[in-house]
Amino acid sequence: AQKVTQTQTSISVVEKTTVTMDCVYETRDSSYFLFWYKQTASGEIVFLIRQDSYKKENATVGHYSLNFQKPKSSIGLIITATQIEDSAVYFCAMRDYNQGKLIFGQGTKLSIKP
Amino acid sequence: NAGVIQTPRHKVTGKGQEATLWCEPISGHSAVFWYRQTIVQGLEFLTYFRNQAPIDDSGMPKERFSAQMPNQSHSTLKIQSTQPQDSAVYLCASSLVDSSAETLYFGSGTRLTVL
Repeated sequence: AQKVTQTQTSISVVEKTTVTMDCVYETRDSSYFLFWYKQTASGEIVFLIRQDSYKKENATVGHYSLNFQKPKSSIGLIITATQIEDSAVYFCAMRDYNQGKLIFGQGTKLSIKP
Repeated sequence: NAGVIQTPRHKVTGKGQEATLWCEPISGHSAVFWYRQTIVQGLEFLTYFRNQAPIDDSGMPKERFSAQMPNQSHSTLKIQSTQPQDSAVYLCASSLVDSSAETLYFGSGTRLTVL
C-alpha cells in the first residue's frame, strides 16, 4: 500500500536562508509521481512542484527544487532565498501510475522569521 | 476562472442531523476529488469521480457517507446522522484530466462542526 511520511512536524528558519523538508514514501509501483503542495494560513492548498519517478533530473520551479533519491524512496523539498510569505504547511504527496488517488503526508509547518 | 467553489464555507449541525456539502469544479475539469482534513488524520482521500462516474471510493466510511456527481458542474458529499467525529474540513479538488501526473486544484473547503 502507498504511504507518505513527513517526520518534521515544524521548522523555523530566518528569512533569506535555504530550508529543506524531508519526505519518504512507500509504493510497490515502479512508476509513480511525487508532488509538493503548500497550505497557507487561510487554508488554501496550492500545487508547487512535481517529480516523475522515471526522471533522473531533479525538478526545479522558481525557488523550489527537489532532491529525489529513488533508492532511498526520498523526495526532499528545498526552498532557497526564503521569504516571510513562504510560511505555510507543506505537504508531500504521491500517486502511483494509472491511479487517481493522491496520498498525502502529514505535513511540515514552516515558519520564516524576519 | 473562479477556481473550485465549495459551499457552504462553514456548517454546524447537531448530532444525528444530515449534512450536504457542495462542490463546483473548475469548468472543463473531468476529475473531481473529495478529501477530509483533520489535525489527527491529516489529509485523507475519500472518493473521486471521472467524467461524473465514481471511480474510487476506497476512503469513504462505509456507513453514513455518500457522494454523487449528477452533472459535470457539481458534486455533493452527504453525511447522514452526523457524529462529532465527522467534524473536519472537507475539501474538494478537480483536475483537468484523470491522469496520475495531473495537478489537483483545491477549493477552500467546508468546515463541518458537529455538536
